[in-house]
Amino acid sequence: RKEVEQDPGPFNVPEGATVAFNCTYSNSASQSFFWYRQDCRKEPKLLMSVYSSGNEDGRFTAQLNRASQYISLLIRDSKLSDSATYLCVVSMDSSYKLIFGSGTRLLVRP
Amino acid sequence: SQTIHQWPATLVQPVGSPLSLECTVEGTSNPNLYWYRQAAGRGLQLLFYSVGIGQISSEVPQNLSASRPQDRQFILSSKKLLLSDSGFYLCAWSTGGEETQYFGPGTRLLVL
Repeated sequence: RKEVEQDPGPFNVPEGATVAFNCTYSNSASQSFFWYRQDCRKEPKLLMSVYSSGNEDGRFTAQLNRASQYISLLIRDSKLSDSATYLCVVSMDSSYKLIFGSGTRLLVRP
Repeated sequence: SQTIHQWPATLVQPVGSPLSLECTVEGTSNPNLYWYRQAAGRGLQLLFYSVGIGQISSEVPQNLSASRPQDRQFILSSKKLLLSDSGFYLCAWSTGGEETQYFGPGTRLLVL
């Protein structure tokens, strides 16, 4: 079983739609969680950290469910520029290592 | 502000040739540095990380090596490339004690 699992997609949605991605992680000792965004043939860029209480940044909302070991990302009012691959990332306790999921691809169409 | 540089941006090398990829970070001191590889359609795989000059930890056995000759310089090397070494190589940095990592623009390597 992979340490971090994501649905690869692609999720194909119209502009203005709301879309949600889930990610599950296998190690209950995981302490920190992130969503990164990666455009085609570019480096990953931090989208947002995921806090236990959930957090929102504009149109983006991240949630953490420790009991079920999953993380979610909700994107409201999708824009064409949101088209990218979204990487779920988990960090272990007192470790420098980040474990990356393989990513979920989002395509927003006009 | 901090910036991270990688070069070259793209590289085509024959099997059996040597490799040297360089990464430098500006605007911070004593960063943690990382090398990742991303194969086509795959997730990022951590290859090496370093918490200080001359301190290298290897995550996977392979024909690659890493060195950190200066505080903000991280080098990925190979004596003889394999076809399976093709991929997108990404360098990243983080501040000591922080887990968020920031990536360089990457080097796309094709071994033929």
